[in-house]
Amino acid sequence: EPEVTQTPSHQVTQMGQEVILRCVPISNHLYFYWYRQILGQKVEFLVSFYNNEISEKSEIFDDQFSVERPDGSNFTLKIRSTKLEDSAMYFCATIRGGASGELFFGEGSRLTVL
Amino acid sequence: AQKITQTQPGMFVQEKEAVTLDCTYDTSDQSYGLFWYKQPSSGEMIFLIYQGSYDEQNATEGRYSLNFQKARKSANLVISASQLGDSAMYFCAMRGEAGSYQLTFGKGTKLSVIP
Repeated sequence: EPEVTQTPSHQVTQMGQEVILRCVPISNHLYFYWYRQILGQKVEFLVSFYNNEISEKSEIFDDQFSVERPDGSNFTLKIRSTKLEDSAMYFCATIRGGASGELFFGEGSRLTVL
Repeated sequence: AQKITQTQPGMFVQEKEAVTLDCTYDTSDQSYGLFWYKQPSSGEMIFLIYQGSYDEQNATEGRYSLNFQKARKSANLVISASQLGDSAMYFCAMRGEAGSYQLTFGKGTKLSVIP
């Protein structure tokens, strides 16, 4: 069973639309991470989130991106006005409680911007 | 800054044979961690194995082992007794100072297992 479940598994949207990707952990995790992988390219770090605050973010994570934990369980990544270049697989990741070092990824949300 | 280099874009291995996927890294951090992930064609990212820079023993997880050579800055993944289901992309990644999980990934190696 995956440590986190991501929804939707695939979303197609028009350029300029807002998109919300969701991540739900199976247990009470405090640390969350978002990564993205443009088709055929490297996996890239976007942002880390701890205790309801952003702890690290990359240059990719600009003003059009935001993260929040709206209800204490779901963890969301919002893209306010999607661009064609936002088309990618977006992964939520978390650290298994008590395990040293292991970072587990969800199954990913594939975003296609038309 | 950290850097991961995977020099093998593609590898072939006969079923039941062992295969080594290469990974070299560069970092100025004293404490760091190294990861290997498997990405099948379906797209999910599956954690395989982790090695901390201060771990004295090489990490092992079932058929996976990490050949960690600190002086050479290499962290090669060894898969023993390859299976057809091992065909996938394999990514090496590292994190820096303790507490940071901002991973730097390599470009990956596509492994194909031949029956």
